[in-house]
Amino acid sequence: EADIYQTPRYLVIGTGKKITLECSQTMGHDKMYWYQQDPGMELHLIHYSYGVNSTEKGDLSSESTVSRIRTEHFPLTLESARPSHTSQYLCASSGLAGGPGTGELFFGEGSRLTVL
Amino acid sequence: SQKIEQNSEALNIQEGKTATLTCNYTNYSPAYLQWYRQDPGRGPVFLLLIRENEKEKRKERLKVTFDTTLKQSLFHITASQPADSATYLCALDRGNQGGKLIFGQGTELSVKP
Repeated sequence: EADIYQTPRYLVIGTGKKITLECSQTMGHDKMYWYQQDPGMELHLIHYSYGVNSTEKGDLSSESTVSRIRTEHFPLTLESARPSHTSQYLCASSGLAGGPGTGELFFGEGSRLTVL
Repeated sequence: SQKIEQNSEALNIQEGKTATLTCNYTNYSPAYLQWYRQDPGRGPVFLLLIRENEKEKRKERLKVTFDTTLKQSLFHITASQPADSATYLCALDRGNQGGKLIFGQGTELSVKP
């Protein structure tokens, strides 16, 4: 069982609301990631972090922002949600136990966001 | 641009048969390749990793091959069971980029009893 948790699992909100998706892991992993996935489509990396106070944008441009104040916590925030933000957001972490670039990703269960 | 392709059509097989899923990539020289299982509405779960210098990797009923010349990986499930029904994702590293993976769109496998 992976020790990475996402809340909420499901969220339905109106346009213009601010939302924060929470992600926490208890494995002490330095690297954390946010992926976005639409139904039947591939995962797209939107944010990643290699440690506390380190955040970078991923491949897919996103209006969301992230922060990494503590190793175990990597929240994602949308200041003003729009229907185009409707998607599944998946958080993951990696400990790179095998050396640089060889770590498996541990995923949370995802947060499914619907913006009306 | 960098691209990963998996069988776009769902794969339907009979229980007990071997399922074979394909992952092809272009414009990459990955150091390793990973396979994940994803159930509906859930996060992906890691299954196997194979490095560029490995031809084949096995884990219980799972087998992965990696041909860097063909730029292809094959994922086999032997003696398949209905519980193996899920979407299987192929993922590549980008070479020295600290574990940021690129995923294929996945192949949906359905095993009928």
